[in-house]
Amino acid sequence: DIVMTQTPLSSPVTLGQPASISCRSSQSLVHSDGNTYLSWLQQRPGQPPRLLIYKISNRFSGVPDRFSGSGAGTDFTLKISRVEAEDVGVYYCMQTTQFPLTFGPGTKVDIK
Amino acid sequence: QITLKESGPTLVKPTQTLTLTCTFSGFSLSTSGVGVGWIRQPPGKALEWLALIYWDDDKRYSPSLKSRLTITKDTSKNQVVLTMTNMDPVDTATYYCAHRNIAAAGTVAFDYWGQGTLVTVSS
Repeated sequence: DIVMTQTPLSSPVTLGQPASISCRSSQSLVHSDGNTYLSWLQQRPGQPPRLLIYKISNRFSGVPDRFSGSGAGTDFTLKISRVEAEDVGVYYCMQTTQFPLTFGPGTKVDIK
Repeated sequence: QITLKESGPTLVKPTQTLTLTCTFSGFSLSTSGVGVGWIRQPPGKALEWLALIYWDDDKRYSPSLKSRLTITKDTSKNQVVLTMTNMDPVDTATYYCAHRNIAAAGTVAFDYWGQGTLVTVSS
């Protein structure tokens, strides 16, 4: 199984300031078709997960452009350029390159 | 507009079998590349993928739970059913179903999620 790790596990941030979350996989997420199936999900308190980013860096429909994804191979990053109050929640990376599909442990983002 | 909704019992007893239904709209499970998966989340914990079924009836399971899970689809009813046998209190969680599209133009991620249903396992 591919193990996903995230750092930090908790990130207190100041409104208007940037935030960054790292995700690392135990093996390369490059699929045989050449794509890398790493996605980021946001889970606000009391809500279901919501897809933010897919294939490393593609923003899903309706996702604000302050969210961006980058990385390659086994190391990936989610960045929020300027944190807003509605960004509070837990962020998960997930790999869908190989079965079993696996999630990171989550990073809790809250406001200082 | 894609929507999914989970339904099933909120309380099951240990050793019982859980049956959850995902009813969806806005897409067809007979369309090439489309799949529906199940994911669960124990209270205060992380997400865990359980099972996935594709348009062509290909089924995938979490290895750690494979012996207890069965996923089926009813394309005419726009439903996917997950059964989990021999329930235990550690299976207490919110269970989500989600849409996945592995076609060339798809995200290949779980891009649409239901609201989830909390299942408590207790005697």
